[in-house]
Amino acid sequence: AAGVIQSPRHLIKEKRETATLKCYPIPRHDTVYWYQQGPGQDPQFLISFYEKMQSDKGSIPDRFSAQQFSDYHSELNMSSLELGDSALYFCASSGRIAVSEAFFGQGTRLTVV
Amino acid sequence: GENVEQHPSTLSVQEGDSAVIKCTYSDSASNYFPWYKQELGKRPQLIIDIRSNVGEKKDQRIAVTLNKTAKHFSLHITETQPEDSAVYFCAASWGNAGNMLTFGGGTRLMVKP
Repeated sequence: AAGVIQSPRHLIKEKRETATLKCYPIPRHDTVYWYQQGPGQDPQFLISFYEKMQSDKGSIPDRFSAQQFSDYHSELNMSSLELGDSALYFCASSGRIAVSEAFFGQGTRLTVV
Repeated sequence: GENVEQHPSTLSVQEGDSAVIKCTYSDSASNYFPWYKQELGKRPQLIIDIRSNVGEKKDQRIAVTLNKTAKHFSLHITETQPEDSAVYFCAASWGNAGNMLTFGGGTRLMVKP
């Protein structure tokens, strides 16, 4: 069965650079979530989209932006990168039924040097 | 939003013993409570979930109980095995459609052979 696909799997950027992370949800899933997980930390909710519209917003810095496209894939854009942005970024998707299981992608490990 | 507290942060048990992890949540409107298992460097994977219309759910060696009045829920693992060693996260739903997840801080379970 198709799962949530994230790209790239690993990314190394320098401070003040820009990074773009991509997420392809499970087919027919219309809700996408982005989470940031620092070393030894729990996943922190950043932002979510439902039917291509921003649904909820968590602890996402102003330097980050995201959107969901017509094919339901989502991109997280991160600008003016800081060392503290180094983390594992997970995307998850869920289906049309509210309160349904969220399936996670394998994550993108971002390292800012 | 939702606030989820999880205890303990670390738990060490002997193989064959039981393990219990507890979570409390703040939003009385939450009605979906999944538990995720995350192995090092991997994505969180759902192991069991419970909805607010039931008080207990069991799947082989794993069970979850929910007390909506007290706003707490627990994960019970019986006959623990070394492969159960991982970080476990509880979560509670929130948001406009009730399908956003807030995670607890995680419990690192170590099962000693």
